[in-house]
Amino acid sequence: AQTVTQSQPEMSVQEAETVTLSCTYDTSESDYYLFWYKQPPSRQMILVIRQEAYKQQNATENRFSVNFQKAAKSFSLKISDSQLGDAAMYFCARDSGNTPLVFGKGTRLSVIA
Amino acid sequence: DVKVTQSSRYLVKRTGEKVFLECVQDMDHENMFWYRQDPGLGLRLIYFSYDVKMKEKGDIPEGYSVSREKKERFSLILESASTNQTSMYLCASSHRVSYNEQFFGPGTRLTVL
Repeated sequence: AQTVTQSQPEMSVQEAETVTLSCTYDTSESDYYLFWYKQPPSRQMILVIRQEAYKQQNATENRFSVNFQKAAKSFSLKISDSQLGDAAMYFCARDSGNTPLVFGKGTRLSVIA
Repeated sequence: DVKVTQSSRYLVKRTGEKVFLECVQDMDHENMFWYRQDPGLGLRLIYFSYDVKMKEKGDIPEGYSVSREKKERFSLILESASTNQTSMYLCASSHRVSYNEQFFGPGTRLTVL
């Protein structure tokens, strides 16, 4: 089975600091999309950032950026200037071909004031 | 904005009961999905649907069925609820399976006693 692996079940970061969440994936496709989703406590899951595999440039959305290493099948999320509102479960996901998203098991991020 | 709603945020049922979880989206999405979310296991796909009256099994379909009579509505059915089906259930929708983000509902936390 093609998988998505998040090796850090939990992480913490001081407010205003930078944190990187890791994600590796397995796929036989050459064209696919990668996503990071955020699920705040008791709130709806929302998309944070999306990367198209054929694009070499790393995606950026305000304080959120990715480090996409296609050859290594690595897709890490960097959160800069962490805020209390960044505390959440973060899920990495892959979408390829005609199959639904495959999600990792998630990383719980705590932000310390 | 896309809106995905689920019929209940919290639900308590007894073992053996038939349980219906409803999901409605208002953006004319073709695809709808039901996931189960458990601590340490991430999101696991139960069933998905590409179109009205169509359904596909996901990774863990046993003990569940689905119904999609209208494009905007996707129902998850637990024919005979069991305690091991106590979980958070998330519904999602997207325009098409490939290369598009999924929009999630708020989730239903089901407890089976």
